[in-house]
Amino acid sequence: RKEVEQDPGPFNVPEGATVAFNCTYSNSASQSFFWYRQDCRKEPKLLMSVYSSGNEDGRFTAQLNRASQYISLLIRDSKLSDSATYLCAVSGSGYSTLTFGKGTMLLVSP
Amino acid sequence: SAVISQKPSRDICQRGTSLTIQCQVDSQVTMMFWYRQQPGQSLTLIATANQGSEATYESGFVIDKFPISRPNLTFSTLTVSNMSPEDSSIYLCSVGGFEGEKLFFGSGTQLSVL
Repeated sequence: RKEVEQDPGPFNVPEGATVAFNCTYSNSASQSFFWYRQDCRKEPKLLMSVYSSGNEDGRFTAQLNRASQYISLLIRDSKLSDSATYLCAVSGSGYSTLTFGKGTMLLVSP
Repeated sequence: SAVISQKPSRDICQRGTSLTIQCQVDSQVTMMFWYRQQPGQSLTLIATANQGSEATYESGFVIDKFPISRPNLTFSTLTVSNMSPEDSSIYLCSVGGFEGEKLFFGSGTQLSVL
C-alpha cells in the first residue's frame, strides 16, 4: 500500500455542485494532515489543516477518519475558480516530514 | 506565514551542466526543505537543509547530485549537478512543517534539461 493515495481524477463537476475527495494513508502513527491546492505550474498553497474533530472554512470541510485511515475534503457550491489539483499531505510517525499524495484534479465547468 | 522567495523561477539548461536554486525567507525559520515535483507525480522530499551542518537526504537522493547549503536561518541553496533530461522538474523550497507546523512553499523553479 502506498503511503498516501489519492484518486487522480479528473472530477468534472458543474458550478454549484458539491464534490468530495478522499485521501488514504498507510501510517497509523501519523499526526498531521493537510489539504493543499495547486494550480497548474504553480506552487502548492495550503488550503486547510485537518483536525480530528473536523473543520470547516467557508465552503470547504475537512475531516479525518483515523479508524479507516483517510482524510476527506468536501467542497460545496463549487466555483469555476475551484478548478485545480488538490493534494493531501500526511506526516510520518508523529510530526515528521510530510508525504504528499499525487493529487486529485478538479474541473468545474459553467 | 513567511514570505519565501525562490529564484530562478524557471530555466532551460544543457545536459551536463549544473544549476543552483536560491531560497530566501523573510524571517528566521528552523526547518527548510527541498522538494521535487516531476511531471504528473507527487511532491517528493529531496532533503532537509540543516543550518550549520550537512543536509539530511531522503532515500534516492545524494549530496553529490544535489548539494545543499544553509549558511543561516533565512537562506538555502540547492544545486542540481551534472543535469540530465530526467532532472526536468519543478523544484520547491519550503519552510515550517516542524512538529505539526504548517508547511509553506516558495514559488518554485521550473527546470527543463535539454
